[in-house]
Amino acid sequence: GAVVSQHPSRVICKSGTSVKIECRSLDFQATTMFWYRQFPKQSLMLMATSNEGSKATYEQGVEKDKFLINHASLTLSTLTVTSAHPEDSSFYICSAEDWASTYEQYFGPGTRLTVT
Amino acid sequence: RKEVEQDPGPFNVPEGATVAFNCTYSNSASQSFFWYRQDCRKEPKLLMSVYSSGNEDGRFTAQLNRASQYISLLIRDSKLSDSATYLCVVNQAGTALIFGKGTTLSVSS
Repeated sequence: GAVVSQHPSRVICKSGTSVKIECRSLDFQATTMFWYRQFPKQSLMLMATSNEGSKATYEQGVEKDKFLINHASLTLSTLTVTSAHPEDSSFYICSAEDWASTYEQYFGPGTRLTVT
Repeated sequence: RKEVEQDPGPFNVPEGATVAFNCTYSNSASQSFFWYRQDCRKEPKLLMSVYSSGNEDGRFTAQLNRASQYISLLIRDSKLSDSATYLCVVNQAGTALIFGKGTTLSVSS
């Protein structure tokens, strides 16, 4: 199946710093990528929809100035958590939609962010 | 009302048991339905899509009832390796997946 990578897989940062997470589709082009967040024992919650070449669409309650999303190419989307706080500690997962197959979404392995 | 609801469990069953999970969804416009499996601290992985006619993949059988907005997953002859969280997922064409909170299954020897 299609492969999506995420980097880094794990990051620990101090409160107030910014962290960038990369999501890459390795063997297909993704016009749309989705960013999810999962807190312990909770469901995956959609944060934003990222479309190549346009601004991301954020879900209600997700601050666009705090979670900066850039989807500059058909294979790369980045999520930057700015001025991270301990409550941002979570598991961040991206998925990429294969534009050749409308319903096929492939997940990255996730990034575990811990803010101290 | 949550968009996708599941019984969180946990379901604790012995090896070889048959176990069934249920899920309901609120958006009647939902078009695609899936079961994902998520292991602890890992990303979710697609287990199977769910079709109105029902579908089977080895020990796994999924059913969809659109009228009742209800999805089920049946696992026969449970294995230790089936222990995981099973996520019920729905979406409309071209939109993000909407996940249930998941049902935890623990299979013991």
